[in-house]
Amino acid sequence: ILNVEQSPQSLHVQEGDSTNFTCSFPSSNFYALHWYRWETAKSPEALFVMTLNGDEKKKGRISATLNTKEGYSYLYIKGSQPEDSATYLCASFSGAGSYQLTFGKGTKLSVIP
Amino acid sequence: DGGITQSPKYLFRKEGQNVTLSCEQNLNHDAMYWYRQDPGQGLRLIYYSQIVNDFQKGDIAEGYSVSREKKESFPLTVTSAQKNPTAFYLCASSIGPDTEQFFGPGTRLTVL
Repeated sequence: ILNVEQSPQSLHVQEGDSTNFTCSFPSSNFYALHWYRWETAKSPEALFVMTLNGDEKKKGRISATLNTKEGYSYLYIKGSQPEDSATYLCASFSGAGSYQLTFGKGTKLSVIP
Repeated sequence: DGGITQSPKYLFRKEGQNVTLSCEQNLNHDAMYWYRQDPGQGLRLIYYSQIVNDFQKGDIAEGYSVSREKKESFPLTVTSAQKNPTAFYLCASSIGPDTEQFFGPGTRLTVL
């Protein structure tokens, strides 16, 4: 079983602050890294799927980077808004014969108005 | 509207009873998945299916069974052999095994 770690476990930021979280994953047999946003009472929604070392992806105020050699990804939120409050999940896909995502425990973000 | 539906939203069962959770998708996705979430844990994979009439065990398959007779449907049965069945269950689907997954609203199962 892959070990995907996310930090911090939770954080509170003021509206307007920028923030970032970390996802670390085993770099061997790496194939893809997924980020999902999970708002309370809703279903998880995909933010990014990243595969290449050095990948940077952006969606509005949210962006992510990927380092496959050292096994980490950062998710950045610029100018946090209350609607960004959610749990952010990362998941690694190894593609090494077992076609499954391994999820981290998530980072719970609370944006204080 | 395209999407994934799970029913019911809440389910209560007595200990020792089997229970089946429904998952349907109209996204024309080949791959479907069942996850379980427990407090303080990440999503853990129970079973997945890459194509009709085929499925594989995930990390925590013991005490569960699935079928994939139709592309649209991937029901999960929680059997009496599952020692701690009370949890939140999420179904998901994707075009392929390495593409983004689309999740249903989940079923919260409580075994009394």
